[in-house]
Amino acid sequence: GAVVSQHPSRVICKSGTSVKIECRSLDFQATTMFWYRQFPKQSLMLMATSNEGSKATYEQGVEKDKFLINHASLTLSTLTVTSAHPEDSSFYICSARAGIEYGYTFGSGTRLTVV
Amino acid sequence: GNSVTQMEGPVTLSEEAFLTINCTYTATGYPSLFWYVQYPGEGLQLLLKATKADDKGSNKGFEATYRKETTSFHLEKGSVQVSDSAVYFCALSATGGYNKLIFGAGTRLAVHP
Repeated sequence: GAVVSQHPSRVICKSGTSVKIECRSLDFQATTMFWYRQFPKQSLMLMATSNEGSKATYEQGVEKDKFLINHASLTLSTLTVTSAHPEDSSFYICSARAGIEYGYTFGSGTRLTVV
Repeated sequence: GNSVTQMEGPVTLSEEAFLTINCTYTATGYPSLFWYVQYPGEGLQLLLKATKADDKGSNKGFEATYRKETTSFHLEKGSVQVSDSAVYFCALSATGGYNKLIFGAGTRLAVHP
């Protein structure tokens, strides 16, 4: 139980276009999901906390107009990287809290490459 | 503020060696502590957790004890395998707020036959 599915696993896009990444909780409801960014050989940096039915809470230094987060249901949160540039290339990971027994469950990540 | 400090890697061991990865934390209140493992190109998997002082988390031969007096949560395994090669992250979830996870920098472990 407590599975988070993240899609796509890899995406290559042209500079200036937008990319949407989906994060779904498959067997539980997640009122709160988290979006992280990970640079090569580095730790995870929390970008924002996504709350179902309300606006996301962004960490300091993260551009909310560039990284649009929508949490329209209890099982789906999306991250849209708008007007992507090569410096946005990174590994993006979502996470949801699945309850005391399971703690935080992570998606398998999305490798974004902007060319 | 809340933070997690891990020993720097990479850690290189021979198969069946003893493993220790140090982790210390700074937090107000009584955080929950976690160890996550990340295999190449994948997301994170929960390895073990502890939610209160003196709790011992264990899984797949790995253990870590929540030591409030030393603010530590060191990861140990008595005999590592090649398949344990991965990056290990120590993390905490502070009390209150949205309970977001705060990660350490990660420690890369390489186990050789």
